[in-house]
Amino acid sequence: KQEVTQIPAALSVPEGENLVLNCSFTDSAIYNLQWFRQDPGKGLTSLLLIQSSQREQTSGRLNASLDKSSGRSTLYIAASQPGDSATYLCAVRKNNAGNMLTFGGGTRLMVKP
Amino acid sequence: GAGVSQSPSNKVTEKGKDVELRCDPISGHTALYWYRQSLGQGLEFLIYFQGNSAPDKSGLPSDRFSAERTGGSVSTLTIQRTQQEDSAVYLCASSLPLTGGGAEGGRAKNIQYFGAGTRLSVL
Repeated sequence: KQEVTQIPAALSVPEGENLVLNCSFTDSAIYNLQWFRQDPGKGLTSLLLIQSSQREQTSGRLNASLDKSSGRSTLYIAASQPGDSATYLCAVRKNNAGNMLTFGGGTRLMVKP
Repeated sequence: GAGVSQSPSNKVTEKGKDVELRCDPISGHTALYWYRQSLGQGLEFLIYFQGNSAPDKSGLPSDRFSAERTGGSVSTLTIQRTQQEDSAVYLCASSLPLTGGGAEGGRAKNIQYFGAGTRLSVL
């Protein structure tokens, strides 16, 4: 059974810092990995999706990397802003037959002005 | 529609009552997913639809939970004889067909788009 772990569970940083969120998964036979953002009381917003054949994806100040063989992904946030405060979730999909996403527990990020 | 729509946004019910939660996916999205987010449990998968059929029901926690989808669009998640442990946020997501090439309007086919959820409280 796939297990996804996110470290740290919570993180508080001052504005402007660069930071890294970590995600690890136990079964490397994944189809893709997705990073989401969740604001309090809201649904999930997809940030980046990395296919299993890719090593990284970038969107603005966000960069996600994937090392499938070691079962790890990182989300790098550059020049953090208070608006980045949210819970960040990573999720893996096992195959392309429509199987569900398996989620990590999330990292709750607070960026202080 | 512009996004995945779920209703109601909040539902308070008494233990033992039945509840129905509704999900209206993005137009053209044939894949639909239900997830549950509980305190201390994280986000867990419940059921997946491709069109009107549900090839993966492996996440439904008990036979009190059922879901259907009609017309390849709206889906309803029904919880019978609700229990306090059913209290959670129920999230619905949709995606483009998982086979076939190309993207549509910038929406990559593998990405799941989530609704805001229904917060269910069982007293």
